[in-house]
Amino acid sequence: DADVTQTPRNRITKTGKRIMLECSQTKGHDRMYWYRQDPGLGLRLIYYSFDVKDINKGEISDGYSVSRQAQAKFSLSLESAIPNQTALYFCATSDPSLGTGGYTFGSGTRLTVV
Amino acid sequence: GQQLNQSPQSMFIQEGEDVSMNCTSSSIFNTWLWYKQDPGEGPVLLIALYKAGELTSNGRLTAQFGITRKDSFLNISASIPSDVGIYFCAGRDYLGGGKLIFGQGTELSVKP
Repeated sequence: DADVTQTPRNRITKTGKRIMLECSQTKGHDRMYWYRQDPGLGLRLIYYSFDVKDINKGEISDGYSVSRQAQAKFSLSLESAIPNQTALYFCATSDPSLGTGGYTFGSGTRLTVV
Repeated sequence: GQQLNQSPQSMFIQEGEDVSMNCTSSSIFNTWLWYKQDPGEGPVLLIALYKAGELTSNGRLTAQFGITRKDSFLNISASIPSDVGIYFCAGRDYLGGGKLIFGQGTELSVKP
């Protein structure tokens, strides 16, 4: 099984619908992150959580919300999806005290809002 | 907020050629990392750099942490088709709790 699992892998939804993207990890890391990837813009941080009770906005949090249900689970919600939220979404985890402190990414969720 | 400028945005090269890409920042970072994203997958860590001036290799990949701590470069020697993908630089934002700031990515295409 993958260390960081994202579901679904692909999703097409209509404008105005609420949608949840889920992320679970088996790394035992406290820190989890949600990024979106757009061509030419790289990876931009939406929300991050340093532990279950600590959730913070990233640089592009408008239109998104998150829930950290447990150390292993961090979900991203789009309350009312709009077409410019069409993107590739990545969840990642990290433990700065271990090794390089780099992130472990999931395989991504490709979201299309029509 | 902090920003990283990565260049070039894309490269089309012939198999066997060497590749160089770089990242610059308006702010100092204490850690630089380089990731590769294969098509349809998430980014995977290639190299991490922790000290100004540090030069680190991983097979055909070599990365350096700039002396000013505001830049880093990645070289790939003798490219092969499986080098295709998007390469991201990232700097660790210690003032922001240690989260990573990513560059825009360099998309590499290798012609056999």
